[in-house]
This record gives sequence, C-alpha cells and structure tokens, in this order.
Amino acid sequence: DAKTTQPNSMESNEEEPVHLPCNHSTISGTDYIHWYRQLPSQGPEYVIHGLTSNVNNRMASLAIAEDRKSSTLILHRATLRDAAVYYCIRRVGTGFQKLVFGTGTRLLVSP
Amino acid sequence: DTEVTQTPKHLVMGMTNKKSLKCEQHMGHRAMYWYKQKAKKPPELMFVYSYEKLSINESVPSRFSPECPNSSLLNLHLHALQPEDSALYLCASSQAMIATNEKLFFGSGTQLSVL
Repeated sequence: DAKTTQPNSMESNEEEPVHLPCNHSTISGTDYIHWYRQLPSQGPEYVIHGLTSNVNNRMASLAIAEDRKSSTLILHRATLRDAAVYYCIRRVGTGFQKLVFGTGTRLLVSP
Repeated sequence: DTEVTQTPKHLVMGMTNKKSLKCEQHMGHRAMYWYKQKAKKPPELMFVYSYEKLSINESVPSRFSPECPNSSLLNLHLHALQPEDSALYLCASSQAMIATNEKLFFGSGTQLSVL
C-alpha cells in the first residue's frame, strides 16, 4: 500500500517562509496530492492540491517534484494562526476513491 | 453556507449506553463521511455515504451504526462502546464521492469519552 511520510514537527518564526516536505514515492501517475491542516480544537481544512505542476492559492503554494515522488507545501510568511498540524494526503482506490491522511507535521510558529 | 455542523461537541457515555452523533450540511453535497481521530493521530476513515447509500465501510465494528436519512443529514449511532472507542469523531462532506481533486469540508467534531 502506498504511504506518505512527513516529519513529526517543524518550527518557524513569524513572518518567515516555511517549507513542509512530504514523500509519496509510490503515488500513481493520476493521483492528486492534497494538503489539509488541522488547527487546535477544529476539524481539518483544505489547503491546496495539485497533480504535476506547481500550484498557488491565497493560503499557500505547492511545489511538486518532477518525478512526483515528493512535494513541498510552502507558506510564504508564517503567522501565529498558521500553527497547526499539516497533513499530506494521498488518494487510494479505484471507482470509489478516498483520501487517506499521512502522519502529519506539527508546525510551531514563534513570535 | 460552507459549514458542516456536528452535535454534540462533547459526549460522555457509559459502556451500556446508546447515543447518537449528528452531522448536518446545507451545501448540496451528495457525499458524507465519518472519520475517527485518536489523540495525536491522523483521522481514519470509517464510513462513506454517496447519494444516501453506504459506499464504504472500513471494517468498522457493528457497535457503530451509520445512518443517512437524507442528503443533508448523517448520523452515527453508538451502542455498547468500549473505552478504547474514546476519540474525536469527525464528519465531512464533499460535492460527490471523492474524485481526483474533490475537496472535503469537515465539521469541528464530537469529542467522545467512554467510561
């Protein structure tokens, strides 16, 4: 079964960029890479997703390696409100497909 | 309205009790999900409903019984739970069964404690 691996935790200072890595070496060629984050005492919320090329939205950027075996979520200027657990997620199954969460990276942001 | 509402927010129950968790969305989504999250662990999928029919059951014990009365509501009926079932139960919805780029919208969860 394909797996995603992420560092357990990372630290950043406020207003600095943050790069959160994820390895998904067995992801299939048509599977999107999804990222969600979970703030304290809340459910996960969507951050970004992509397939092959880099993606940008108002929350973050997603850089996908050319071989698609890894990706990096980029927060351009971390704020205290970005302190959360960030999940790299793979899609599994054919027909009825489902998102399976990776282990997650806890991001700590210091003022 | 982009909210998924879960009630109650907290629930304490004994092992002989019967209780229900409720989830509601008014985004017109046709797929709804139950996830279980233990402390400091990622969410794990339990059930998926698509167009009010159970599509995925991740081999969940029968003491958990899902129900989808209509496209806006999802219930999880609990009976004879064990202390190890204590966890955060998350409901989510999406426009349809998860496709390659489908987004899930999550509620804030019900924190369940089984004594």
